[in-house]
Amino acid sequence: DIQMTQSPSSLSASVGDRVTITCRASQGISNYLAWYQQKPGKVPKLLIQSAYTLQSGVPSRFSGSGSGTDFTLTISSLQPEDVATYYCQKYNSAPYTFGQGTKLEIK
Amino acid sequence: QVQLMESGGGLVKPGGSLRLSCTASGFTFRDYFMSWIRQTPGKGLEWVSYISGSGDSIYYADSVKGRFTISRDNANNSLFLQLNSLRAEDTAVYYCARDFTTDWYGGWFDPWGQGTLVTVSS
Repeated sequence: DIQMTQSPSSLSASVGDRVTITCRASQGISNYLAWYQQKPGKVPKLLIQSAYTLQSGVPSRFSGSGSGTDFTLTISSLQPEDVATYYCQKYNSAPYTFGQGTKLEIK
Repeated sequence: QVQLMESGGGLVKPGGSLRLSCTASGFTFRDYFMSWIRQTPGKGLEWVSYISGSGDSIYYADSVKGRFTISRDNANNSLFLQLNSLRAEDTAVYYCARDFTTDWYGGWFDPWGQGTLVTVSS
């Protein structure tokens, strides 16, 4: 099965900072990658699918890129409400797998 | 709006069984694959199983194959997960999610229900 590895596992940044989270697949998955945001005590929420397609209602400061094995989620200007754990998920074929998560905090 | 509501979680002894339900509203249920996903503090998010809109395509994670059974009732907009031979490592919050898998490629999950907690302990 394809493994998904996120880095870093945790991250502390200041409001206004540009933040980048990476996700690496153990094999190529084309652009079959989604990103989710899970705020503390809340349910995971879809941010991006197909590696870079932003879901309706998601702030434009979020963006995704990558294809094949290496992907990134970027927050262009970190806001306090972005404190959350972020997960990538591959879906080229079942079984679907998630990265281990990146916990983002405000410095 | 699209809503999903799970129920049926609880405390069960190792080797026991439980049946989870998920009721959907706000979309044409039969047109979508549906998935179960679980979350533990230690292992993060783990996809468990999906079922196609018609119910004729089903897939399980290796960790639950042979023990869990997914099913659906399109007439009542309901999804189910039968959990048998439960183990301590099955302890998790179980979410149902609308799955954008199609017959040709896999999909993402949107939205997720609020989750139901399953605790396996003696």
